[in-house]
Amino acid sequence: EVVLTQSPATLSLSPGERATLSCRASQSVHIYLAWYQQKPGQAPRLLIYDASNRATGIPARFSGSGSGTDFTLTISSLEPEDFAVYYCQQRYSWPPITFGQGTRLEIK
Amino acid sequence: EVQLLESGGGLVRPGGSLRLSCAASGFNFDNYPMTWVRQAPGKGLEWVSVIIGSDDRRYADSVRGRFTISRESSKNTLWLQMDSLKADDTAVYYCAKSRSGQMDVDFDSWGQGTLVTVSS
Repeated sequence: EVVLTQSPATLSLSPGERATLSCRASQSVHIYLAWYQQKPGQAPRLLIYDASNRATGIPARFSGSGSGTDFTLTISSLEPEDFAVYYCQQRYSWPPITFGQGTRLEIK
Repeated sequence: EVQLLESGGGLVRPGGSLRLSCAASGFNFDNYPMTWVRQAPGKGLEWVSVIIGSDDRRYADSVRGRFTISRESSKNTLWLQMDSLKADDTAVYYCAKSRSGQMDVDFDSWGQGTLVTVSS
């Protein structure tokens, strides 16, 4: 099973700042990693797939990078609506399909 | 517009059964793998099961032998039959559509979720 470890657990930033979230896989998942955003009481929303491709309708301030075991989600300039929990997910080696434990992005 | 609408959640006693459904619209239902993901209260996302085509089914170890995923093309509906329920199965259950029609199991559309509570 591929274990995904996200860091930090919580990130406290202010609107306008740059956010950098990390996801590390226990073995290579090549580029087959996705990022989701989840707000309280809502379903997750796909942001990035295959490490660096923005999903339909996702603003350009969201970008993804990485391959192999180390991946990064960057939000270039935080908007108030970006404060949420973010999850990574791999689809290279499954079952099981696995998610990271999440990073909470909170307003400082 | 893709829409996924789950139903069937509720309160059930340990050892009981429940069947969840997910009504899909806005896309060619037959062409996409469909997945159940759950989220225990205050916790992260956990993959439960996926169905590819009509009869290729995969399960998480935690539910294998107790849960059964199925789909009915004529009704554009995904099902999750849950038997021998345990307290640890308490969660919001989401159905999710795969982004592509291949074996690409990342998820571009999600339902709103249905809450299952297992308690005596």
